[in-house]
Amino acid sequence: DAGITQSPRHKVTETGTPVTLRCHQTENHRYMYWYRQDPGHGLRLIHYSYGVKDTDKGEVSDGYSVSRSKTEDFLLTLESATSSQTSVYFCAINPTSGRARDTQYFGPGTRLTVL
Amino acid sequence: AQSVTQLDSHVSVSEGTPVLLRCNYSSSYSPSLFWYVQHPNKGLQLLLKYTSAATLVKGINGFEAEFKKSETSFHLTKPSAHMSDAAEYFCVVSVISRNTDKLIFGTGTRLQVFP
Repeated sequence: DAGITQSPRHKVTETGTPVTLRCHQTENHRYMYWYRQDPGHGLRLIHYSYGVKDTDKGEVSDGYSVSRSKTEDFLLTLESATSSQTSVYFCAINPTSGRARDTQYFGPGTRLTVL
Repeated sequence: AQSVTQLDSHVSVSEGTPVLLRCNYSSSYSPSLFWYVQHPNKGLQLLLKYTSAATLVKGINGFEAEFKKSETSFHLTKPSAHMSDAAEYFCVVSVISRNTDKLIFGTGTRLQVFP
């Protein structure tokens, strides 16, 4: 698991409530990513970070925000959860240069259900 | 635009028979390609990757893939399936981007292995 933990691992919440998911890494890697996994879509990139306080949007960023105030933690926030955000969320790290030939390593995932 | 297409959503094989999971890619430049595996309720694990070196890439657990530029394919094979190979497999292409290269996932192929 490349030293990546995600919390919580499971969460059930109600529509309209804020939710924050945490990704924690132990190796001080620069590049971190948040994905969501939905049936029929594979994984899709939500946001990513290329350093402390340096973040950018992925392909499905609407309704999500992120923060990275220290190297080891990358937080994903749903400001007002909707049922369409029910999904499994994966955090990933890239331990090298963030470029094409590098491998991303994935955390164990967080299963979020929005009722 | 870069993309990958996994040609089969489900593949079923008998234990001991060969496995073929098909993937076609689209890329305007020489791509980096990956295969990841996801066992039930688990995170993703890298099987192998192609980064413009040898066109036949060997991975873990006896899997290999061949990069064929003329066919824009990167099919995953294994000579003899094992029960433990039952999982979902994702073909992935890396997209060059501003701050970090991004991964584009296929929609996945679920491999069933029968005794």
